[in-house]
Amino acid sequence: QKEVEQNSGPLSVPEGAIASLNCTYSDRGSQSFFWYRQYSGKSPELIMFIYSNGDKEDGRFTAQLNKASQYVSLLIRDSQPSDSATYLCAVNIMRGSSNTGKLIFGQGTTLQVKP
Amino acid sequence: EAGVAQSPRYKIIEKRQSVAFWCNPISGHATLYWYQQILGQGPKLLIQFQNNGVVDDSQLPKDRFSAERLKGVDSTLKIQPAKLEDSAVYLCASSPKTGGQPQYGYTFGSGTRLTVV
Repeated sequence: QKEVEQNSGPLSVPEGAIASLNCTYSDRGSQSFFWYRQYSGKSPELIMFIYSNGDKEDGRFTAQLNKASQYVSLLIRDSQPSDSATYLCAVNIMRGSSNTGKLIFGQGTTLQVKP
Repeated sequence: EAGVAQSPRYKIIEKRQSVAFWCNPISGHATLYWYQQILGQGPKLLIQFQNNGVVDDSQLPKDRFSAERLKGVDSTLKIQPAKLEDSAVYLCASSPKTGGQPQYGYTFGSGTRLTVV
């Protein structure tokens, strides 16, 4: 089982629709979760983080976390063609008692927003 | 603040040759990471430094890859000898704290695209 799993897509939505991106993770001890956006040929860009169960909203983006189900999602409202990119889910995996962690990434979901 | 600087942006080498990448993190960031991103995949952590010490190199193919972070600032990643499967984008990232804790995340550099032919 992969540590962080995403559907690679592509996920295609019409302009103005809600895009829903999903991610599951295997480490029950994970405490913090990140969504990165990566345009083709560019490096990942942090768009949101979440560490409490429930929803976190930032503009058109909403991150949702359910630790019991080990599930993270990202909703993009009023999708725009400029949102077309690969969305990477990342989970912070802590290392034992050393209080250091590492970000493990899923393979990313490609989102296509059609005008 | 200046971002994470990486060079070169692109590199094409023949298999069995050697190559080196350079990274300068954001000033004051204690933690530096090297990730490998193969086309169509998510970034994979190769090595993590805390200041100039190695925290995690469990995914680094040590028979051909090496990395160092002298004086806890700049870092270099070297591949010798390169294989075709090393073709990827090598991303450097830094954070002020360990572990990518909330509100810090990681800041990535623009990456080095390596093609091995």
